[in-house]
Amino acid sequence: AQSVTQPDIHITVSEGASLELRCNYSYGATPYLFWYVQSPGQGLQLLLKYFSGDTLVQGIKGFEAEFKRSQSSFNLRKPSVHWSDAAEYFCAVGASHNAGNMLTFGGGTRLMVKP
Amino acid sequence: DTGVSQDPRHKITKRGQNVTFRCDPISEHNRLYWYRQTLGQGPEFLTYFQNEAQLEKSRLLSDRFSAERPKGSFSTLEIQRTEQGDSAMYLCASSSSTANYGYTFGSGTRLTVV
Repeated sequence: AQSVTQPDIHITVSEGASLELRCNYSYGATPYLFWYVQSPGQGLQLLLKYFSGDTLVQGIKGFEAEFKRSQSSFNLRKPSVHWSDAAEYFCAVGASHNAGNMLTFGGGTRLMVKP
Repeated sequence: DTGVSQDPRHKITKRGQNVTFRCDPISEHNRLYWYRQTLGQGPEFLTYFQNEAQLEKSRLLSDRFSAERPKGSFSTLEIQRTEQGDSAMYLCASSSSTANYGYTFGSGTRLTVV
């Protein structure tokens, strides 16, 4: 069974600073990997996803993530954080052979942005 | 396309009561998923439908939980004899079976059991 760990429960960064959110996964084969963002009272919005190919993935809102198989990681990065990025971020894994496309999520990282 | 709609947005119920939540997916999506999100945790898969068939339900938390999608359109999730531990956000998502992991999530129903 797959699992996802997001080691940082809370992160605070200053506006304009760079950001990296950590995600480690456990899965026996090549995973499908996702980052979602959730603002208060809102549903989950997909930021980016990795299925195969280039291990550096570009997403919406200036986010990118890098798949590192040797480290079982899929960390999310942004070079310059905006106050509107304050939200909760979830990393998720899907099994490539899973016909039903069920997702397993990490526990989330809450991002706070200081002015 | 109005996205995935969930009703109600909030529900407060007394312990022991039954509750039912409704999800209206994107009309052209044939798959519908239910997830539960407890405070401070990530969403947890419960069940999913492809058209009207419930193809995975082993992850429903107990036999007090049931879901239906009678005509392959909207779905309902029912919790019988609610317990305080059922307090959570219940998220619905829909996708097309031809779009790999192409989820659209609703805003969720927040259940509080008192």
